Amino acid sequence: DARVTQTPRDKVTEMGQEVTMRCQPILGHNTVFWYRQTMMQGLELLAYFRNRAPLDDSGMPKDRFSAEMPDATLATLKIQPSEPRDSAVYFCASGLVLNPDSSYEQYFGPGTRLTVT
Amino acid sequence: EDKVVQSPLSLVVHEGDTVTLNCSYEVTNFRSLLWYKQEKKAPTFLFMLTSSGIEKKSGRLSSILDKKELFSILNITATQTGDSAVYLCAVDRNFNKFYFGSGTKLNVKP
Repeated sequence: DARVTQTPRDKVTEMGQEVTMRCQPILGHNTVFWYRQTMMQGLELLAYFRNRAPLDDSGMPKDRFSAEMPDATLATLKIQPSEPRDSAVYFCASGLVLNPDSSYEQYFGPGTRLTVT
Repeated sequence: EDKVVQSPLSLVVHEGDTVTLNCSYEVTNFRSLLWYKQEKKAPTFLFMLTSSGIEKKSGRLSSILDKKELFSILNITATQTGDSAVYLCAVDRNFNKFYFGSGTKLNVKP
């Protein structure tokens, strides 16, 4: 049963600390997304990668957020320094794009619930 | 500005009722519309719609897309308490950038 995994599942940290969230996409998937979900804003796309290359990170605050894919089985989202307004659930999703002109399904991981105090 | 609007924001029904959830969109370079169900955790995929007028069905759930009027509906017949969730609509536009609506919160009472 292939699924997207994320760690940690919950993270509580103090303002100013660095936070790193990890995602393992479904094996063979070539597209990875990072989303943030809050009650106020709903699901917001932060960044996404295709074949490990960043395609769009316009939804991400550049001064403190960074997203990388060191290899095909690992995507990371880092916040440094963290702020209370970063408190949210961060979801990773992956999908397999066979044809750039066609659409496809995304599969979500369980999320990381981040609380910054 | 691209947007995806869902209605109603919330809905309370009783088991056995039929519900219709709406999703309207305004995006450039539309590719597809997707429906997700989100219970307490991650959204789970329900349907992907790319063509107008073709209904997709899965058990008691069905969905259809109207690309002329720019909307989709998700129908749930004979609702059950297990259908209680937030239903999210997302639109895939050019470069596979997904825009999500704010969701419809469905509460099915016994």
